[in-house]
Amino acid sequence: GNSVTQMEGPVTLSEEAFLTINCTYTATGYPSLFWYVQYPGEGLQLLLKATKADDKGSNKGFEATYRKETTSFHLEKGSVQVSDSAVYFCALGGSQGNLIFGKGTKLSVKP
Amino acid sequence: GAGVSQSPSNKVTEKGKDVELRCDPISGHTALYWYRQSLGQGLEFLIYFQGNSAPDKSGLPSDRFSAERTGGSVSTLTIQRTQQEDSAVYLCASSFLSSGREDTQYFGPGTRLTVL
Repeated sequence: GNSVTQMEGPVTLSEEAFLTINCTYTATGYPSLFWYVQYPGEGLQLLLKATKADDKGSNKGFEATYRKETTSFHLEKGSVQVSDSAVYFCALGGSQGNLIFGKGTKLSVKP
Repeated sequence: GAGVSQSPSNKVTEKGKDVELRCDPISGHTALYWYRQSLGQGLEFLIYFQGNSAPDKSGLPSDRFSAERTGGSVSTLTIQRTQQEDSAVYLCASSFLSSGREDTQYFGPGTRLTVL
């Protein structure tokens, strides 16, 4: 069945460091791919998405490109800030319109 | 406008009791989803509604779980005879349409359920 695998955390970075969180998927067809973020004490919110191969989603300095050939959707940011500290979830769209999530990666950014 | 709301925000119950969790989706959203977030299992999809219908209930963990939606709006998730393994954060999300390809799901703050 469809599934998502993302790198385990926690990830600890210094402010202004480069961030990559790896995400790979297994799916039939070509589902949409998403990154959701959960800030401390807050609910899940959509960070970015891509709906077809080679699409790049971007938001708040974060980017991810839908790579069909490597079945990947890695999240990147060139310069992280303390305010980016959160848990990041990679997800793909399921057959019922639901989301199939990875386990989440906790990011801590130190000043 | 108002986002997805859930109540209660926290619920502590004794093993064996029934609980009811409520979700108010964003007005006009036809699709509604329930998920469960727990330490051991991550984020699991439970059930979705298109209007008042739930086409597939196979994601519900056991027959102690049921859900309904009335008037195409409010949904309730009921857990009967709660067990300790039901302890988790129950999340509700809504979207304008049911197609995962185009539609963003907006999540509520969740209900944290603790079964003693």
